[in-house]
Amino acid sequence: GNSVTQMEGPVTLSEEAFLTINCTYTATGYPSLFWYVQYPGEGLQLLLKATKADDKGSNKGFEATYRKETTSFHLEKGSVQVSDSAVYFCALDSGAGSYQLTFGKGTKLSVIP
Amino acid sequence: EADIYQTPRYLVIGTGKKITLECSQTMGHDKMYWYQQDPGMELHLIHYSYGVNSTEKGDLSSESTVSRIRTEHFPLTLESARPSHTSQYLCASRDSGRSDTQYFGPGTRLTVL
Repeated sequence: GNSVTQMEGPVTLSEEAFLTINCTYTATGYPSLFWYVQYPGEGLQLLLKATKADDKGSNKGFEATYRKETTSFHLEKGSVQVSDSAVYFCALDSGAGSYQLTFGKGTKLSVIP
Repeated sequence: EADIYQTPRYLVIGTGKKITLECSQTMGHDKMYWYQQDPGMELHLIHYSYGVNSTEKGDLSSESTVSRIRTEHFPLTLESARPSHTSQYLCASRDSGRSDTQYFGPGTRLTVL
């Protein structure tokens, strides 16, 4: 079956630090990959996505590259801000008519001034 | 901008009460979902619907029920609330493309005393 494994948190960083949140996946076929973000008290919102191997998704300074050879989709940001404090979810859509996302367990990021 | 709404945002209720959590979307999406989010932030799919008069149970067994009489409306009902139902409930919808974004509502935080 499909699965997503992401690094456990919580992660605490100082403002302007470099961020990496690791995400690896197991899936049959050619999944699409997503990062969602959940700010305190809100629902999830799409941060970025990639639909095929070697694609790079980017948004708000965050980036992730779809690496088929390592089955990974690590999230990175060069300089985090306090406003980036949130829970980040890696997810995959296996396609093949399933229409369901498989989520990782989430990684809580806290950025301190 | 996602147009998916959930009401109420917060609900505190006594054991044994019947409750309905509302979810509506104005995007015309045929696919809708309910997730339960535990305190550790992990998401669990409890119900989904791929169109009017179509509902299925998700991966996590739930005592709640859902209905889909109109495309835009996907309410979740608990006939007799219990403290074990205390949780965050998130509604989501998406279109039918292979890598289409799944949009989330802001969530309902339910507390059963």
